[in-house]
Amino acid sequence: GAVVSQHPSRVICKSGTSVKIECRSLDFQATTMFWYRQFPKKSLMLMATSNEGSKATYEQGVEKDKFLINHASLTLSTLTVTSAHPEDSSFYICSADPGLAGLDGELFFGEGSRLTVL
Amino acid sequence: GESVGLHLPTLSVQEGDNSIINCAYSNSASDYFIWYKQESGKGPQFIIDIRSNMDKRQGQRVTVLLNKTVKHLSLQIAATQPGDSAVYFCAENIWGGSEKLVFGKGTKLTVNP
Repeated sequence: GAVVSQHPSRVICKSGTSVKIECRSLDFQATTMFWYRQFPKKSLMLMATSNEGSKATYEQGVEKDKFLINHASLTLSTLTVTSAHPEDSSFYICSADPGLAGLDGELFFGEGSRLTVL
Repeated sequence: GESVGLHLPTLSVQEGDNSIINCAYSNSASDYFIWYKQESGKGPQFIIDIRSNMDKRQGQRVTVLLNKTVKHLSLQIAATQPGDSAVYFCAENIWGGSEKLVFGKGTKLTVNP
């Protein structure tokens, strides 16, 4: 099946630093990727829709300057948490839309990235 | 409106029993629904999906039922196994020019041996 890879799976950083998380579709091209955030024992919350070659669409309440999204190619989207603070500690998950290469409505999820800000 | 995550409800069953996990969705215009399984520290895994023109769909050991009148989904797992222990989320596909998923609050299933 289609595979989406996220890297790093775990990252610990100091407050004030920036952290980049990568989401790669390994065997298909994804015009659209999605970024989610998940707090412990909570559901996934959509943060933004990442579109290849254009600006990301952010959900209400998500700071676009805080969570920078770049979708520079059809197989890679990156989420950069800028000037991270402890409240940004969370589990971040991406998903990729295979478009015509997949079933209608099908999405593939990455394994997630655990961010801990000290 | 979108479903906002709340504290997870839990379901505990004995190995071999059938499990039923329920989900209420929010948007009457949603036309595609998916159940995901999420193990601790991992991303969601697709289990089964259903379109709004159906009210039931069966997979291997799993069945999804859709009641559009009351905006309710259920996931039935037959002969539940310890490996089924996970958090289960329903998601509704809200068409917005791309496949935008909105997740329900999730249910933590624990299977006791």
